[in-house]
Amino acid sequence: DAGVIQSPRHEVTEMGQEVTLRCKPISGHDYLFWYRQTMMRGLELLIYFNNNVPIDDSGMPEDRFSAKMPNASFSNLKIQPSEPRDSAVYFCASSLGGPSTSNEQFFGPGTRLTVL
Amino acid sequence: GENVEQHPSTLSVQEGDSAVIKCTYSDSASNYFPWYKQELGKRPQLIIDIRSNVGEKKDQRIAVTLNKTAKHFSLHITETQPEDSAVYFCAASKNNAGNMLTFGGGTRLMVKP
Repeated sequence: DAGVIQSPRHEVTEMGQEVTLRCKPISGHDYLFWYRQTMMRGLELLIYFNNNVPIDDSGMPEDRFSAKMPNASFSNLKIQPSEPRDSAVYFCASSLGGPSTSNEQFFGPGTRLTVL
Repeated sequence: GENVEQHPSTLSVQEGDSAVIKCTYSDSASNYFPWYKQELGKRPQLIIDIRSNVGEKKDQRIAVTLNKTAKHFSLHITETQPEDSAVYFCAASKNNAGNMLTFGGGTRLMVKP
């Protein structure tokens, strides 16, 4: 397996534009997580899905952020409109489910977003 | 919800010395405690984890200890090497919250040759 795949790896956009970040989890994983990492706030959980269903989105900063998981192989995170303070590295991670399995989360390479 | 505090935020050691990073958690129901290592410009990767039914776990030069009563756990790295330089994150989770992890703020470890 190629691991968690994210695209694009780098995104530079202007304030007010829509940004879409994409993630393909490891095949067979039941959970998918979106994180944001900044120097000031560290690693923050934005939202996570279990079997394609959003379970906890309390970390989504505001209505400008939305995430979907239309199927087990794909998720996207959208920011509309984007603002300079959204500049960060966004990680997607996936893991297996069930109490008898490892809780290890496998991270993708991240998308570095810069909003000018 | 869970809150995880991590100390110190930065740690500088001489090559060959030991390094200790400490974390505390707030939710007594948490039962899984992983440690992730993030090298500069890379993704976080799991290096060791411990469950609440175990007090200590070792893997070569790294070890993790857990004190459930005090709600704290620690990462110990012995015989540090320059390649150990990275940011280390602790985290806590509980089974009834699925696989959701709450991360600490991270510790930047610098190993000087």
